[in-house]
Parts: sequence; structure tokens; C-alpha cells
Amino acid sequence: DTEVTQTPKHLVMGMTNKKSLKCEQHMGHRAMYWYKQKAKKPPELMFVYSYEKLSINESVPSRFSPECPNSSLLNLHLHALQPEDSALYLCASALQGAYEQYFGPGTRLTVT
Amino acid sequence: AQSVTQLDSQVPVFEEAPVELRCNYSSSVSVYLFWYVQYPNQGLQLLLKYLSGSTLVKGINGFEAEFNKSQTSFHLRKPSVHISDTAEYFCAVSVRNQGGKLIFGQGTELSVKP
Repeated sequence: DTEVTQTPKHLVMGMTNKKSLKCEQHMGHRAMYWYKQKAKKPPELMFVYSYEKLSINESVPSRFSPECPNSSLLNLHLHALQPEDSALYLCASALQGAYEQYFGPGTRLTVT
Repeated sequence: AQSVTQLDSQVPVFEEAPVELRCNYSSSVSVYLFWYVQYPNQGLQLLLKYLSGSTLVKGINGFEAEFNKSQTSFHLRKPSVHISDTAEYFCAVSVRNQGGKLIFGQGTELSVKP
């Protein structure tokens, strides 16, 4: 099973809302990632969790708050987003560090 | 620092023709290399990977790639493409002990025409 699941598939939120994105994997992977992808661009790394600890934050604004409750789950809490934050948000996991990453289908976020 | 260059932003090709998508990378240390495919409105799917060993790597859907260390290239090839191969293709590298950061190229849009 090489599946990473993400919910919801689509999300529309206002600039004053609070919402969360969820990612789950059951492959025993110890590294998990959040990416942001704009149309016609490659994914941009936002956060990396390694063994449930935040190891990389790519200078992401504080209106994005990641959380890793356990080794299978990764959340991204959203608050006071801007319209330019509208994008496809991808979660990925890897056995560890530099090995291949497996991506989920993404959450299409629209901020109005 | 590492960087990845995909030399063609768009590659149009007719069905059943061969195709090569080019990828060059820059790194002062050893890297792991990957090709991902992204179909419209979907996530990225791993096509193939080079971690070590044989420089010719076979992946899913009939794709293969060859790692050339002297030319720092990792070109993707398929001998005969199908309409269903129409998608965006990303080349990526990662380095050990850098937290698993994937450095992506800008992507190549493969368009297969009947």
C-alpha cells in the first residue's frame, strides 16, 4: 500500500475563517511533508516533519500552522489566509530523509 | 546548493512516437534522482528513481531513465507514447542529510497528439 490520503479534496474559505487540512499514511513512513503548488509550477516545500518533530519550516507565514499528532497523521491548520494562498496543497511521506516521497492527491484551496 | 533544469517546458509528440524529456542537475555532492508525473487535478506519482547501482532505471508505464554522472543528467525516455501519457513531468533531486528536501525542476508538459 503506497497510498497517502488527504481530506478534504476541495476547500473554499473566507479570509477570517479557520480550517484544517488532513493527511494520513499507513506505510510506516517517518518523514512527512507539506507542499504548496500553484498552477503550472512545481511544488514548493512548506514544512517537513521527521519522527513527528518539525525539522524544516521554509519561512512559511504563521497563518499556516502544521501539526503531527502521531506518525501516521499530519495536519495543516489555516487561519486568516489571503487570496494569494489559493493553491493545491500536497502532502507527501517518505520512509526517511532523502528517499522517494509518495504524494497524496492534494487539497484544492480557494480563499475568497 | 542543488538545482534542477528541465530543458524543455513543452514537448508535443504524436502517439506511438518515442519521446525524451531532458533533465540536468547541479550538485557538489551525491544526489538521489527522481521523475514524477502529474495528471490534471491530481497529486504527483513517482515514475522512477535512482538511488544507486545500475545507471539505467526502469519505471512504471514503460518509462526509463539513464543517470549520467559526468554530464549530470537524468533524461526520461519512452519508446512509444500513448495519449494517456499527456501530463506534466517533474524531475527532482534530493541529498542525504538535508532533511529530505526535494529540489524540483520547472516541469515539462508532455502533450501526445493522435
